Amino acid sequence: EAQVTQNPRYLITVTGKKLTVTCSQNMNHEYMSWYRQDPGLGLRQIYYSMNVEVTDKGDVPEGYKVSRKEKRNFPLILESPSPNQTSLYFCASSLNDGESYEQYFGPGTRLTVT
Amino acid sequence: AQKVTQAQTEISVVEKEDVTLDCVYETRDTTYYLFWYKQPPSGELVFLIRRNSFDEQNEISGRYSWNFQKSTSSFNFTITASQVVDSAVYFCALSEASGNQFYFGTGTSLTVIP
Repeated sequence: EAQVTQNPRYLITVTGKKLTVTCSQNMNHEYMSWYRQDPGLGLRQIYYSMNVEVTDKGDVPEGYKVSRKEKRNFPLILESPSPNQTSLYFCASSLNDGESYEQYFGPGTRLTVT
Repeated sequence: AQKVTQAQTEISVVEKEDVTLDCVYETRDTTYYLFWYKQPPSGELVFLIRRNSFDEQNEISGRYSWNFQKSTSSFNFTITASQVVDSAVYFCALSEASGNQFYFGTGTSLTVIP
């Protein structure tokens, strides 16, 4: 089944404790992206990756890191999480082949930072 | 700067009524892409439609239809004969020509009352 998976789905952590949210897709998509969803703000793009080893900042990159060492994986790293990073996080992927730009989203990761 | 506005925060309709969700966008690009996504109460994000800036044809898919008007920078979504299963948050989104950076509206929460 074609899908984007994220782990963990739920995470409660404390301020300053480094964490990684994994994202993996099995559709051989070139493009992957991370978003956060907050009430009243919709989805905001954190980082995106056009291909392996190619990443760029979205609208709200502060406090986050990403890496794209393999085509299928795009982990999101919070080196020193803070309470304002409490949010619902979505990973997405798409072909981005000049014709197809629609993104397919993972199930989301609900992060709480205390 | 790119921006997507969904002025309707919440809409309630009675089953079988028609409802239109508004989306207004801002961009300086001549080539861009517009999207609608659905987020049902279960939380996943489901792709509904993509429109290219150079294709102003309206589209109909079953009970769903989309009206794209460049003159008013709008990409509105109409559900005909609404059903309870249409209850969800609907997001409009804009992407620039490369398809890398995405800008989402704040979403419209639709409740269909049986």
